[in-house]
Amino acid sequence: NAGVTQTPKFRVLKTGQSMTLLCAQDMNHEYMYWYRQDPGMGLRLIHYSVGEGTTAKGEVPDGYNVSRLKKQNFLLGLESAAPSQTSVYFCASSSSGFGTDTQYFGPGTRLTVL
Amino acid sequence: AQSVSQHNHHVILSEAASLELGCNYSYGGTVNLFWYVQYPGQHLQLLLKYFSGDPLVKGIKGFEAEFIKSKFSFNLRKPSVQWSDTAEYFCAVNAGYGGSQGNLIFGKGTKLSVKP
Repeated sequence: NAGVTQTPKFRVLKTGQSMTLLCAQDMNHEYMYWYRQDPGMGLRLIHYSVGEGTTAKGEVPDGYNVSRLKKQNFLLGLESAAPSQTSVYFCASSSSGFGTDTQYFGPGTRLTVL
Repeated sequence: AQSVSQHNHHVILSEAASLELGCNYSYGGTVNLFWYVQYPGQHLQLLLKYFSGDPLVKGIKGFEAEFIKSKFSFNLRKPSVQWSDTAEYFCAVNAGYGGSQGNLIFGKGTKLSVKP
């Protein structure tokens, strides 16, 4: 049982390049989330999904797109990377949307945009 | 909009000192409160959570937190810290808006450095 995994762990992009971050969970969770973590800012929600085939915007969705084609996977895309997207990206999942549910986090992807 | 405030950005303690990290939230309705910890180079993991019942919640590794509704607070405590508690600690409150109640609003985090 690997929990939540993320690939890649590190990535360096040039401004304007595109990339996709992959999140996978093996806990059969319905809900999945993408956060970014910046120094002194805590974690901010980018997008989330309440089930296979669904996505919704979070607090800071601009410049990102997501897809949830399979229940276990949640992809985060950057179509045209900008230096402001330099951050650590965390994926998380939870079994339901109930407020009491614990979110389980992946190890993160450190992205640098030059 | 809901928000979470963590008043201490960086706390430095010696081993065996007592710890209290402050967390206040702004939300008038029913809340679910969490403390997550991020050890250096690792992902976030749950320390403890509160959603109902006894306002004093015990978590892993000797941590506890007290929910004081009248003060909108959920402070984290540990009687005696260890060097291994060096980490960043995040308070989070469940947003409870829109179609999903699973969205967390995080505070900015408090870095704890424990000197051996």
